[in-house]
Amino acid sequence: DADVTQTPRNRITKTGKRIMLECSQTKGHDRMYWYRQDPGLGLRLIYYSFDVKDINKGEISDGYSVSRQAQAKFSLSLESAIPNQTALYFCATSDRQHSGANVLTFGAGSRLTVL
Amino acid sequence: AQSVAQPEDQVNVAEGNPLTVKCTYSVSGNPYLFWYVQYPNRGLQFLLKYITGDNLVKGSYGFEAEFNKSQTSFHLKKPSALVSDSALYFCAVRDELTGGFKTIFGAGTRLFVKA
Repeated sequence: DADVTQTPRNRITKTGKRIMLECSQTKGHDRMYWYRQDPGLGLRLIYYSFDVKDINKGEISDGYSVSRQAQAKFSLSLESAIPNQTALYFCATSDRQHSGANVLTFGAGSRLTVL
Repeated sequence: AQSVAQPEDQVNVAEGNPLTVKCTYSVSGNPYLFWYVQYPNRGLQFLLKYITGDNLVKGSYGFEAEFNKSQTSFHLKKPSALVSDSALYFCAVRDELTGGFKTIFGAGTRLFVKA
């Protein structure tokens, strides 16, 4: 099994629908992140969480919300999806013990298309 | 502002030839620099990092990167390219302005290795 698992891997939805992307990890890492990848823009941080009680906005949090249900689970929600949220979404984790490096472990990605 | 720049959208190289993927950075203080690789339909994978010490850093799959403080560069290199090295490569820097807990990514460089 993958260390960081994202579901669904692909989703097509319509404008205005609510969408949840889920992420679970078996790394035992305390830090979890949601990134969005768009061609030519690299990865941009949406939200990050250092533990269950700590949630922080990233650079592009508008239109998104998150929930850290447990140390191993971090979900991303689009309350009312719009076409410019069509993108590839990545969940990532890192380990506080090695925070000096903050090396990220990524999931395989969730491709979301909003029509 | 903390940032990284990858000046080339695409790099083409013949199999067996040396390859270089360029990255320049702008940070306050000492940089923590990273390279990640993304293969098709996969998440990003960590290749190597520079924190301190030797300017030449060795990583996975035969890759290495050279840190140059005077030129604020961290170019990724490999002496002999393989077709299987074809992928999307991201340079990244730890964001010191937020306590080092976030990572800023470049836009990515697509590497094509021709047989």
